[in-house]
Amino acid sequence: KQEVTQIPAALSVPEGENLVLNCSFTDSAIYNLQWFRQDPGKGLTSLLLIQSSQREQTSGRLNASLDKSSGRSTLYIAASQPGDSATYLCALQGGSNYKLTFGKGTLLTVNP
Amino acid sequence: ETGVTQTPRHLVMGMTNKKSLKCEQHLGHNAMYWYKQSAKKPLELMFVYSLEERVENNSVPSRFSPECPNSSHLFLHLHTLQPEDSALYLCASSQEGPTGELFFGEGSRLTVL
Repeated sequence: KQEVTQIPAALSVPEGENLVLNCSFTDSAIYNLQWFRQDPGKGLTSLLLIQSSQREQTSGRLNASLDKSSGRSTLYIAASQPGDSATYLCALQGGSNYKLTFGKGTLLTVNP
Repeated sequence: ETGVTQTPRHLVMGMTNKKSLKCEQHLGHNAMYWYKQSAKKPLELMFVYSLEERVENNSVPSRFSPECPNSSHLFLHLHTLQPEDSALYLCASSQEGPTGELFFGEGSRLTVL
């Protein structure tokens, strides 16, 4: 059974800092890994999708990496802004079914 | 219009009520999903429909009944719920196939009294 762990559970940083969010998983047989952002009381917004054959994806100030051999993914946020404050979730697609396995998320607070 | 629209956004119901949650996607996707998000728990997959057929039922109690009349619409019918069913219910869609990127709606916040 796939287990997804996100560390830290919460992170508070000053504006402008570069930061890394971590996601680890137990089963490396995955189709893809997706990073989401969730604002309080809202739905999830897809940030980046990494297919199993890829090592990383970039979008603006965000960079996500995938290392299947070590069971890890990182989300790098450059020059953080208060608007980046949200919960960040990683989710893995494994097997031939449609099931995404989610981590519990990292609550990020960027202080002005 | 956003890609995935959910109504109502908030719902309060008693344990004997019958209500429905609605989801509509405008992305041309062929797969639709219901997820449940409870406090301090990871998102839990409830149901998946692909090309209007249910392909996943993740051991959900029968008091939750999904319906997918076409590839753009998905309903979750609720009856005789319990207080522990209070949660944020999220709808999502993707292109056909299990490897497609998921797009979520804003969610329906359900409170069961």
